[in-house]
Amino acid sequence: AQKVTQAQTEISVVEKEDVTLDCVYETRDTTYYLFWYKQPPSGELVFLIRRNSFDEQNEISGRYSWNFQKSTSSFNFTITASQVVDSAVYFCALSDYNAGNMLTFGGGTRLMVKP
Amino acid sequence: EAEVAQSPRYKITEKSQAVAFWCDPISGHATLYWYRQILGQGPELLVQFQDESVVDDSQLPKDRFSAERLKGVDSTLKIQPAELGDSAMYLCASSLTGDSYEQYFGPGTRLTVT
Repeated sequence: AQKVTQAQTEISVVEKEDVTLDCVYETRDTTYYLFWYKQPPSGELVFLIRRNSFDEQNEISGRYSWNFQKSTSSFNFTITASQVVDSAVYFCALSDYNAGNMLTFGGGTRLMVKP
Repeated sequence: EAEVAQSPRYKITEKSQAVAFWCDPISGHATLYWYRQILGQGPELLVQFQDESVVDDSQLPKDRFSAERLKGVDSTLKIQPAELGDSAMYLCASSLTGDSYEQYFGPGTRLTVT
């Protein structure tokens, strides 16, 4: 069975601080995909990144970076120099090969960036 | 940029009434998903379509919920009768195929059952 845990329910930082959102997953499959989505107050889920289980290289996209470590079953997300517009709920999700693309979401982390 | 369309954006209904939500996926996307997101939680899959066929509806409460995608394009999710516990955001998503490509989500329909 798949499971995604986001232990941080809420994080508050001041603008320009760096912040890391944690994600720990469980799956029995060796082939799986990990995702991060952003949900701003407007409600729609915005896709941020997809990573497959065979690619452990870290990824950087502007102020965003992702650290994938299979040894600890973690896929953490760091925002560098946070901005007020980063305020949202962030979801980590898992899809394993045998689940037929079904996404299992974590409970989400609400990030509040204060000016 | 292509988007997933959903309507209505907001719906208030009384319990025991019927309610329906509509979703139009991104053109060319074969796979369509309906999720339910209870306030403060992550989305949970209700049903997945591949073209017009249901791939997974194991989490759909079939006694009151139904979903269809008759022509393999747009889709309707219906609840009859609605219950208080159905109050949630209903999200539609689509993806190019069912092969773990990224899913693109619509703005959702926020349902309140009174």
